[in-house]
Amino acid sequence: NAGVMQNPRHLVRRRGQEARLRCSPMKGHSHVYWYRQLPEEGLKFMVYLQKENIIDESGMPKERFSAEFPKEGPSILRIQQVVRGDSAAYFCASSPPLAGDRDTQYFGPGTRLTVL
Amino acid sequence: LAKTTQPISMDSYEGQEVNITCSHNNIATNDYITWYQQFPSQGPRFIIQGYKTKVTNEVASLFIPADRKSSTLSLPRVSLSDTAVYYCLVVPYTGTASKLTFGTGTRLQVTL
Repeated sequence: NAGVMQNPRHLVRRRGQEARLRCSPMKGHSHVYWYRQLPEEGLKFMVYLQKENIIDESGMPKERFSAEFPKEGPSILRIQQVVRGDSAAYFCASSPPLAGDRDTQYFGPGTRLTVL
Repeated sequence: LAKTTQPISMDSYEGQEVNITCSHNNIATNDYITWYQQFPSQGPRFIIQGYKTKVTNEVASLFIPADRKSSTLSLPRVSLSDTAVYYCLVVPYTGTASKLTFGTGTRLQVTL
């Protein structure tokens, strides 16, 4: 059973470009979470999605950031008009369909975004 | 949400037992204590979770006193590969999935 997959692992963008980060959850998992980690800091929650629904986006900036988890295909975190402050590691996690908050979240390897 | 406090860093020699204590003074009745491990350039990995007393698995033990205001993660006989950041999280039990709140963690450095 493959783990959570994220691609690309490294992404370089110039200021003003768009960044698209993809996350394929573990097989059978229907809950996806996105977190951002700045150097030397802990992970910060951004958004929680189930298939075709955003459940909690309280950690996501209101502008330039969006997320989706379509019925088919991976979850995508999209950052428009990137700025240098968006440089960070972005982690995706997944949990099973009947997840309660005691359930483990399984994390992917992350995408390291560098904005030049 | 209960705030957690843990040491910023710890050093250990290979083969020793390491105990990392986390304070969560305002933990609520329905909160669970969960620990994650993160290696450099990787995502966090679940280690152990508990509510009270002692929990043990193949990786670690978790000790939680009766008042639950603190918890201690115990790693027996650490090796170089245990060098990582360890996060203590308090997870409220509401019956549905929810976000995890990470602090800055404890950076464990294991040397020969």
